[in-house]
Amino acid sequence: EDKVVQSPLSLVVHEGDTVTLNCSYEVTNFRSLLWYKQEKKAPTFLFMLTSSGIEKKSGRLSSILDKKELFSILNITATQTGDSAVYLCAVDRYYGGSQGNLIFGKGTKLSVKP
Amino acid sequence: DVKVTQSSRYLVKRTGEKVFLECVQDMDHENMFWYRQDPGLGLRLIYFSYDVKMKEKGDIPEGYSVSREKKERFSLILESASTNQTSMYLCASSSLAGYYGYTFGSGTRLTVV
Repeated sequence: EDKVVQSPLSLVVHEGDTVTLNCSYEVTNFRSLLWYKQEKKAPTFLFMLTSSGIEKKSGRLSSILDKKELFSILNITATQTGDSAVYLCAVDRYYGGSQGNLIFGKGTKLSVKP
Repeated sequence: DVKVTQSSRYLVKRTGEKVFLECVQDMDHENMFWYRQDPGLGLRLIYFSYDVKMKEKGDIPEGYSVSREKKERFSLILESASTNQTSMYLCASSSLAGYYGYTFGSGTRLTVV
């Protein structure tokens, strides 16, 4: 059975701290790994990772994938209160040829205190 | 920007009612999905569709059905709503092969009383 496991499930830090969120997976027919940020409403896309060892960066956020060890990390440096959210890790898995769908972890709830 | 619009933000229904949740996307995406999100369980895939009139069961299809009569619209149907279907329902769409990721709607919070 496919599964995606995120850790920790919740995290409280202070502004300026650096955090690392973890995501491991066991998914047949892996296509890519995605990270989303969810505040009150729709998850918003952060990163899509398909190749091992290539870091993707966007401002203070970065992410990397290890396809041999089947995990990914999301780093946030110099955290701000606006980073408070649930961070979702999902794996895009092939289904029937070129189609796919996402399986999610349970999310990491990050709270950044002033 | 791709827009995925869910018709209702909040919905309250009675046990046993037939419930329709509507989702429309405006970027001609082939693929559409329905998820439910519950505390401690994350997002779980209910049904998905790769083309008009096609549907596939996801990981938790029991108690649900779907309809896709037009490419831009994907409906989730609760034939007889039950209290354990109280949840946040999220619709998503993606282009062929998902190369550009998946875009989500804002969600419908359904309460069954």
